[in-house]
Amino acid sequence: GDSVTQMEGPVTLSEEAFLTINCTYTATGYPSLFWYVQYPGEGLQLLLKATKADDKGSNKGFEATYRKETTSFHLEKGSVQVSDSAVYFCALIKAAGNKLTFGGGTRVLVKP
Amino acid sequence: ETGVTQSPTHLIKTRGQQVTLRCSSQSGHNTVSWYQQALGQGPQFIFQYYREEENGRGNFPPRFSGLQFPNYSSELNVNALELDDSALYLCASSPGGTDTQYFGPGTRLTVL
Repeated sequence: GDSVTQMEGPVTLSEEAFLTINCTYTATGYPSLFWYVQYPGEGLQLLLKATKADDKGSNKGFEATYRKETTSFHLEKGSVQVSDSAVYFCALIKAAGNKLTFGGGTRVLVKP
Repeated sequence: ETGVTQSPTHLIKTRGQQVTLRCSSQSGHNTVSWYQQALGQGPQFIFQYYREEENGRGNFPPRFSGLQFPNYSSELNVNALELDDSALYLCASSPGGTDTQYFGPGTRLTVL
């Protein structure tokens, strides 16, 4: 079945450091790929998405590129802030599908 | 702000009881999906409703049931609660024909 694998956390960084969170997926066909962010005590917020190979999703300084050849969708940010401390989830949905399949989440802690 | 609301915010029940969780979808969204998020894990798909009909179900027993109303709001009902049902229950809505789901803040259910 479909699956998403994310790097284990927690990832601890200093403010203004570069952030990368690895995400790889297994799915047939051409799924759409997403990153969601969850702040403490809250629901999930859509961060960015990409719907086809080589698409780059971007939002709030975060970027991720849909790599079909490596089945990856790594999240990057060039300079993190304390406010970026959260749990980040990579997810996929199949074309004409109805359910999101999530990775286990990666906790990021940014220290001042 | 996604416009998806859920109630209640928190709920405490005892084993064997029944619970109803509610979700109001974002304006213009006719599809509602429910997810269960256990502590420290990624959300798991429970089921989806589209125009008042169930449109797919995850690996959850029949004691998890749902409804969608003509205004596209939705309920999740869980009978015969078990300790393992303790989790954050997330509702997500989406416009018909798109793959992007927008999440509400969730209901935290504790089963004692």
